Amino acid sequence: QVHLVQSGAEVRKPGASVKVSCKASGYTFNVHYVHWVRQAPGQGLEWMGRINPNSGGTNYAQRFQGRVTMTRDPSISTAYMELSTLRSDDTAVYYCARDGLAMTGNAFDFWGQGTVVTVSS
Amino acid sequence: SYELTQPPSVSVSPGQTASITCSGDKLGNKYACWYQQKPGQSPVLVIYQDNKRPSGIPERFSGSNSGNTATLTISGTQAMDEADYYCQAWDSSFVIFGGGTKLTVL
Repeated sequence: QVHLVQSGAEVRKPGASVKVSCKASGYTFNVHYVHWVRQAPGQGLEWMGRINPNSGGTNYAQRFQGRVTMTRDPSISTAYMELSTLRSDDTAVYYCARDGLAMTGNAFDFWGQGTVVTVSS
Repeated sequence: SYELTQPPSVSVSPGQTASITCSGDKLGNKYACWYQQKPGQSPVLVIYQDNKRPSGIPERFSGSNSGNTATLTISGTQAMDEADYYCQAWDSSFVIFGGGTKLTVL
């Protein structure tokens, strides 16, 4: 069965960077886009962007352009999301999610367990 | 930029029908999907392509999408359905989420 397992919680100071990993299993990694979505405490879901694991091509939400970098390592079926120049309002749970492609009209059919990132001085 | 608007909260009595709306310009021309999120858990896809249910999602969950509004309907609502619900659609190559609706079953 499909699983997305994310790396553990992180604490960073303002201005630093954080890199979160998402290891996929149970399906062919290169076939499905991986998306990153974050959720600030008590707030809604916010899409950050996606990566094509086959080509490495990315689309980023405008508000994260220049601060986010999504990469992948197909050899270990893992996607990464790095966010730089962190601010206190980047404190959130960060999720990776699999794009179901035509099977789901590009809805996200599987999600990671979430990674808590805390930005505090 | 494209926006999806949901009511912040909806209340329903157990066994009754709950309807949660999601509004956006010409949303009916796009596919809408819905996610359920319970406290401390990751979101779960409950409706995709407007009205399709993933395997394992109960039949009481249904969806529709026409004009400017997509609707998630939960028939015979149960206490376990109490959660936050988010609609989602694509605008060109970008994903848009609605602000979320807290469903209270009381």
